[in-house]
Amino acid sequence: DTAVSQTPKYLVTQMGNDKSIKCEQNLGHDTMYWYKQDSKKFLKIMFSYNNKELIINETVPNRFSPKSPDKAHLNLHINSLELGDSAVYFCASRAPSGSLGEQFFGPGTRLTVL
Amino acid sequence: AQSVTQPDIHITVSEGASLELRCNYSYGATPYLFWYVQSPGQGLQLLLKYFSGDTLVQGIKGFEAEFKRSQSSFNLRKPSVHWSDAAEYFCAATNPMFSGGYNKLIFGAGTRLAVHP
Repeated sequence: DTAVSQTPKYLVTQMGNDKSIKCEQNLGHDTMYWYKQDSKKFLKIMFSYNNKELIINETVPNRFSPKSPDKAHLNLHINSLELGDSAVYFCASRAPSGSLGEQFFGPGTRLTVL
Repeated sequence: AQSVTQPDIHITVSEGASLELRCNYSYGATPYLFWYVQSPGQGLQLLLKYFSGDTLVQGIKGFEAEFKRSQSSFNLRKPSVHWSDAAEYFCAATNPMFSGGYNKLIFGAGTRLAVHP
């Protein structure tokens, strides 16, 4: 009965590879996000989607391409991975527009680029 | 620019002692405010939230926070800390003027809490 789930939990890969992280929420929310947590634990938004439509793209390199096949899923594909992409990536979801809903976070995916 | 500041990077308290973690915000209007906790290797769990009304809000795990508009602060408190409270604590804010996907969380840098037995 996990609310927001992410796969994989850990991802270790070589520079230059392409990888994907998947996120699913079963809360019935219509807004989903990707946040990046760097090595200093600082959290910053990357993308938001509302009803499968991209809303926020926070000056993220275009090597990062989110995709939302439906309201319950938001995936993150990363091309040509660089050392600086090493971080923990969190998916989050939020209750429908107009509500005061807080964001619910997934467990995170720790990406290590070697 | 909108920002959230947590002045204390690292705090150590003894088990059973009281705790206060500071948070200040800088927004054009009063934001919605949140405290999240991140245990080692875990995701973020919401402790409590403030939208409007009563300035003292109660959360889970015995935490509370007080909103002070005059000081642009939203400090987190707990009267008696348990060893299991050792974690990273994040204060966050959103702009209430934005809804849907435009509503993003701005996080503070986090405060790492260590608890001595």
